Amino acid sequence: EVRVLESGGGLVQPGGSLRLSCTVSGLTFGNTALGWFRQTPGKGLAWVASISDSGVATFYADSVKGRFTISRDTSLETVFLQLNLLRGDDTALYFCAKARGQYADLWGQGTMVTVSS
Amino acid sequence: SYALTQPPSVSVAPGETATITCGGDNIGRMSVHWYQQRPGQAPVLVAYDDSDRPSGIPERFSASNSGNTATLTISRVEAGDEADYYCQVWDGSDILFSFGGGTTVNV
Repeated sequence: EVRVLESGGGLVQPGGSLRLSCTVSGLTFGNTALGWFRQTPGKGLAWVASISDSGVATFYADSVKGRFTISRDTSLETVFLQLNLLRGDDTALYFCAKARGQYADLWGQGTMVTVSS
Repeated sequence: SYALTQPPSVSVAPGETATITCGGDNIGRMSVHWYQQRPGQAPVLVAYDDSDRPSGIPERFSASNSGNTATLTISRVEAGDEADYYCQVWDGSDILFSFGGGTTVNV
């Protein structure tokens, strides 16, 4: 069974940093593109960043470009999202999802990031 | 970015049919994908590439796309179908995944 599991969320002050992790099991990690999405409490879904199966190509939403970095470690079968210069509007539930072409076909349960002083 | 418009909510009685629309300029020329998100849970893909259904998704869920409107139809609605539903397209420009605002289906 394929599983996606996020971790690393928490409470951080404005301007602070956090690193989220996404571990994928049950499939060939090196053949899998992955993405991060977020959802503000009570609101809709938004794409944050994506990384190709090889890790060569990365993509970011304009709202996080220059502040967030997506990366992957094949030996750990893990994708990371480094969040820097955090702001209040970054407060959200962050989901990791397996990307299949133009859609996300398997999502984790999410990890909550709260930016507050 | 490409704008997708969904109605905020749809109410349907058990056993009836729920129709959820997703509007966008010439959306019929794009591939549309749909997700179900039950309260407190992760999104689940219920339809992809306009009308295909992932394994494990009941045949009661069907989707179509034409012109300026994509549609997700849930036949013989059950209490367990109560959830938020999001449409999504691949923008391909500055936003890879564009989502509609979501529709809450009340049963």
